[in-house]
Amino acid sequence: GENVEQHPSTLSVQEGDSAVIKCTYSDSASNYFPWYKQELGKRPQLIIDIRSNVGEKKDQRIAVTLNKTAKHFSLHITETQPEDSAVYFCAATLYSGAGSYQLTFGKGTKLSVIP
Amino acid sequence: NAGVTQTPKFQVLKTGQSMTLQCAQDMNHNSMYWYRQDPGMGLRLIYYSASEGTTDKGEVPNGYNVSRLNKREFSLRLESAAPSQTSVYFCASSPTGSTNEKLFFGSGTQLSVL
Repeated sequence: GENVEQHPSTLSVQEGDSAVIKCTYSDSASNYFPWYKQELGKRPQLIIDIRSNVGEKKDQRIAVTLNKTAKHFSLHITETQPEDSAVYFCAATLYSGAGSYQLTFGKGTKLSVIP
Repeated sequence: NAGVTQTPKFQVLKTGQSMTLQCAQDMNHNSMYWYRQDPGMGLRLIYYSASEGTTDKGEVPNGYNVSRLNKREFSLRLESAAPSQTSVYFCASSPTGSTNEKLFFGSGTQLSVL
């Protein structure tokens, strides 16, 4: 079936370094790709999203890139800080049957920023 | 403005017991969702309601039922709980139900089935 693959499952970086999380998707008709951040014990919250008509989007220290031909998108965090430590989920709109599209999440990446 | 409110926050059930998870939003959103989150599995959609009066199955609906009571409230019922339903459950809402818009999540319900 349609799915979203996310890598790596865990990532440790030194404070100040950059972090990159990658996702691939299977449905060439997908057109929306959000990223959610979930701090320990908290709810997921949207941090950035990108639509299929855009190749890159930035918001301060975070950026997302999209390669529709290769069907992959990535989250880039620069100058990482301890408060960036969290689980990050990518997602994509995938066909779920009966003419319906639903947001499907990757399995998450646990990012640890070491002071 | 509380956003999305879920109750209870924690619940322990015995196998075979039933319970209802409650969710309410005060943002006048049309669409509401129930997800479950298991370690290493991400967020999986159980049921959703695109608008008041409609409900549809998601990826993992077996063992659950839902009710969209009104525009504000969307409940999830476990009729006969099983240990496989031990999970963290999140309710979410979105303004119009388009798949291209932000989801607003509740704070979650941690459910243990013994």
